Amino acid sequence: KNEVEQSPQNLTAQEGEFITINCSYSVGISALHWLQQHPGGGIVSLFMLSSGKKKHGRLIATINIQEKHSSLHITASHPRDSAVYICADLSRNYGGSQGNLIFGKGTKLSVKP
Amino acid sequence: KAGVTQTPRYLIKTRGQQVTLSCSPISGHRSVSWYQQTPGQGLQFLFEYFSETQRNKGNFPGRFSGRQFSNSRSEMNVSTLELGDSALYLCASSLRGGPYEQYFGPGTRLTVT
Repeated sequence: KNEVEQSPQNLTAQEGEFITINCSYSVGISALHWLQQHPGGGIVSLFMLSSGKKKHGRLIATINIQEKHSSLHITASHPRDSAVYICADLSRNYGGSQGNLIFGKGTKLSVKP
Repeated sequence: KAGVTQTPRYLIKTRGQQVTLSCSPISGHRSVSWYQQTPGQGLQFLFEYFSETQRNKGNFPGRFSGRQFSNSRSEMNVSTLELGDSALYLCASSLRGGPYEQYFGPGTRLTVT
């Protein structure tokens, strides 16, 4: 069974700071998702990546398959970025009874003005 | 395109009762996944349906069941509710499931008293 660990659990930043959230997993993956959850519960899928790097606006996600590690970066952080960020592993066994999505516990980000 | 919708948004039930939650995916999406989120366990995968067939199942007791209709709408049912079933239940739709982007609904917050 894959384990997904995120760090840090909580992060407080000043507006404008560069932020990094890390995600490590223990076995090979087919795709890693980064999710954003705002207070109130709504979840938005930010990225799905299986190799390299993806960028969307001020958000950048990278993954190192060999090191089994992914990072989510936020440049020029803003109070509206305050949310819980969750990484999730889509199991290689997807499609069979063992298929599953394993979630990290989340990183609660608070950006102060 | 309209997003993923879930009904009802809030629900209060009594221990021992049963509940049915509904999820309407984005038009054209054939995969619907269900998740449970609690403060203690975080996000956990319940099951995934694709073209009316359950394709994947998480580690939940048989009291949790679901189905998908020919129009891809999905329902999940929880029988004999327990206090621990109080949670936010999220569904997500995807074009085909697997390593494809998932789009989340707003969730149904279930409280069991």
